[in-house]
Amino acid sequence: DGGITQSPKYLFRKEGQNVTLSCEQNLNHDAMYWYRQDPGQGLRLIYYSQIVNDFQKGDIAEGYSVSREKKESFPLTVTSAQKNPTAFYLCASSLRDREADTQYFGPGTRLTVL
Amino acid sequence: KNEVEQSPQNLTAQEGEFITINCSYSVGISALHWLQQHPGGGIVSLFMLSSGKKKHGRLIATINIQEKHSSLHITASHPRDSAVYICAVSGNTPLVFGKGTRLSVIA
Repeated sequence: DGGITQSPKYLFRKEGQNVTLSCEQNLNHDAMYWYRQDPGQGLRLIYYSQIVNDFQKGDIAEGYSVSREKKESFPLTVTSAQKNPTAFYLCASSLRDREADTQYFGPGTRLTVL
Repeated sequence: KNEVEQSPQNLTAQEGEFITINCSYSVGISALHWLQQHPGGGIVSLFMLSSGKKKHGRLIATINIQEKHSSLHITASHPRDSAVYICAVSGNTPLVFGKGTRLSVIA
């Protein structure tokens, strides 16, 4: 089955620790995205990538980093510089980074920083 | 940057009712997306439209480009329709999302 997987589903970390969230897709999509969702807020774009070895900052990139070494994988690192990292993180992909492309979402990772 | 507003924020309906969720945006777009987020958090795309109307089963989505407004209708609502419905728009920038409408359908 084609799709997007994110792991883990729940993640707990101590304040000050970096943590990496996994996102893998086997849809052969060029574009991948990371979003953050907080209660009562719309999804906000953290980073996106249109092609391997290239990525762009979204609206709230501070305190996050990404890599895109393989087409299928787009891991997100939440660094200790992120002031309020507790949130629900969603990864998505689309065939190309065009405005009319449907985005396919992973199941999400809920990160709690203690 | 585009501003996306959804109404209502919360909606409770009895099973069988006809439901309408509204979305308005501030700047011209190339496409509007309706998404459904299940209680577990997963999101699925319901519709992508740039003009007119689309129908899939009991769901109907319409868009009025001149008025910068879209509606999502659910006919004969069912408890399994309970979810958060999210409107998102695309244009010269990546998707901009509304805050969502939480729908609860009671049997």
